[in-house]
Amino acid sequence: DGGITQSPKYLFRKEGQNVTLSCEQNLNHDAMYWYRQDPGQGLRLIYYSQIVNDFQKGDIAEGYSVSREKKESFPLTVTSAQKNPTAFYLCASRQQGAGVYEQYFGPGTRLTVT
Amino acid sequence: EDKVVQSPLSLVVHEGDTVTLNCSYEVTNFRSLLWYKQEKKAPTFLFMLTSSGIEKKSGRLSSILDKKELFSILNITATQTGDSAVYLCAVDAGFLGGTSYGKLTFGQGTILTVHP
Repeated sequence: DGGITQSPKYLFRKEGQNVTLSCEQNLNHDAMYWYRQDPGQGLRLIYYSQIVNDFQKGDIAEGYSVSREKKESFPLTVTSAQKNPTAFYLCASRQQGAGVYEQYFGPGTRLTVT
Repeated sequence: EDKVVQSPLSLVVHEGDTVTLNCSYEVTNFRSLLWYKQEKKAPTFLFMLTSSGIEKKSGRLSSILDKKELFSILNITATQTGDSAVYLCAVDAGFLGGTSYGKLTFGQGTILTVHP
């Protein structure tokens, strides 16, 4: 089955620790995205990548880092510099090109930092 | 700054009712408007609208876009308890040279609760 997997489903960390969230897709999509969702708010874009070895900051990139070494994978690191890291993190991917395409989402990782 | 606003923020109805969810936007370089349904985890895609006045329909759900007035509505007829979810509206508004970045700006979502 084609799709997007995120792991782990739940993650607990102590304040001051970096943590890496995994996102893998087998849809052969070029573009991948990371969003953050807080209660009562919509999704906000953290980072996105249109192609391997290239990525751009989204609207709330401070305190986060990413890499895109393989087409299938787009891991997100939440660093200790992120002031309020507790949130639900969603990864997405889509086709790239001149047309308009929907984004497909993974199941998400709920991160709790205490 | 691109902006998407959904209303109402929450809605409680009974099975069989018809609901209308609203989404207004202010963005540059509009490419498309998307509706998603989110039940506790991954948002699932419902509709993509690019042209004004053309209704998209899937079963009891339908949606239409008004590019002049900058809004979209999502209608759900004969609601069922399984329709209970957060409905998200997003606008794709970033592109360069004809290729969309796929940078979505989301509204806050509408929480729909359908009671039996």
